[in-house]
Amino acid sequence: AQTVTQSQPEMSVQEAETVTLSCTYDTSENNYYLFWYKQPPSRQMILVIRQEAYKQQNATENRFSVNFQKAAKSFSLKISDSQLGDTAMYFCAFDVGDSNYQLIWGAGTKLIIKP
Amino acid sequence: DTGVSQNPRHKITKRGQNVTFRCDPISEHNRLYWYRQTLGQGPEFLTYFQNEAQLEKSRLLSDRFSAERPKGSFSTLEIQRTEQGDSAMYLCASSPTGVYYGYTFGSGTRLTVV
Repeated sequence: AQTVTQSQPEMSVQEAETVTLSCTYDTSENNYYLFWYKQPPSRQMILVIRQEAYKQQNATENRFSVNFQKAAKSFSLKISDSQLGDTAMYFCAFDVGDSNYQLIWGAGTKLIIKP
Repeated sequence: DTGVSQNPRHKITKRGQNVTFRCDPISEHNRLYWYRQTLGQGPEFLTYFQNEAQLEKSRLLSDRFSAERPKGSFSTLEIQRTEQGDSAMYLCASSPTGVYYGYTFGSGTRLTVV
């Protein structure tokens, strides 16, 4: 079975600190895509960052970067210079490679940025 | 185009009643997805459309659930004879062809069955 595990149900850090959210996944596929989505309280889910499994270079989007370790099936998200607006649920997800239509999601990490 | 629109935002219904939700995707997106999200969990795939064709349905989608996307535009998700276990957030998303591009989600419809 293809699964995603987010081992940190909740995290909190002070504003301006750096925080890393962990994600591990299990798949037998070799080519796939990985995603981090953010869901602020009572607001819609938005894409934060994505990574192609065939690329060794870690993806970066402004203050957000990933540490992709394909052999370990690990895909952590680092948020630098955290801001109050980063408070949200963060979900890790990956696609079912050969189907290209469905994402498998983790249970999420609730991130709280404290002023 | 202002994004993916879902209506209603909230729906409270009595057990046994039928409910219908609507999703208006981004007009250029030919793929449309329905997911269900319960409290403290990530979304679970329900079904997806490419244009007007419903190409895949999850086993979570029992016979009481039906989805349509007439003419490849908006989509509706109907739940017949609702049960308390159907209480959840129903999320709609759309994308250009391929998961890689990432979904654009709507704000969801929160269903409460009492």
